[in-house]
Amino acid sequence: ETGVTQTPRHLVMGMTNKKSLKCEQHLGHNAMYWYKQSAKKPLELMFVYNFKEQTENNSVPSRFSPECPNSSHLFLHLHTLQPEDSALYLCASSQGTTDSIYGYTFGSGTRLTVV
Amino acid sequence: AQKITQTQPGMFVQEKEAVTLDCTYDTSDQSYGLFWYKQPSSGEMIFLIYQGSYDEQNATEGRYSLNFQKARKSANLVISASQLGDSAMYFCAMREGWAAGNKLTFGGGTRVLVKP
Repeated sequence: ETGVTQTPRHLVMGMTNKKSLKCEQHLGHNAMYWYKQSAKKPLELMFVYNFKEQTENNSVPSRFSPECPNSSHLFLHLHTLQPEDSALYLCASSQGTTDSIYGYTFGSGTRLTVV
Repeated sequence: AQKITQTQPGMFVQEKEAVTLDCTYDTSDQSYGLFWYKQPSSGEMIFLIYQGSYDEQNATEGRYSLNFQKARKSANLVISASQLGDSAMYFCAMREGWAAGNKLTFGGGTRVLVKP
């Protein structure tokens, strides 16, 4: 148990489906992140939330829609995805976004397959 | 330009031997943090070790040590006495200061396979 829980662990969806990924942390962290990990590519930062406010959108297509209702929960809503969106989606949290000494605590990820 | 470079895509290491994973970084910040994470096949990213840019001593955490050479901008991870459970992907990452957005940027990773 890492302190950051992601559900579901695996997801297969069609290109016309709508689904959501969920991330939850009870570490008292105030920043949360979505990363995408594709095969043979470095981890790509998608979104950053600090105290529930989105502070970064790294040019992510609008078919990915994040939601952060509070500092403990983060969602990634998915719709009309493409096969190239198949990847491992990792959620992370940290104590803040303004101090370089803090690393991130990651969840186990959701492995998404778009068919 | 890549901020974090890991030049070894994959390595084999004999059980009980030590292995060094290379990492070089690029930043103009004076204050930054360097991290190593382990990712087993389950997918979870596990924090291993941290080195701050102002830390004069190399970081150590159990069997993990970080060989920090600031002038060369390198932060190599040394795993001593390798175990079969060390087989995984290893990622070097850097977190720069607020001027660079405080983001954690990752290298491409090195896959380590420990042989019995």
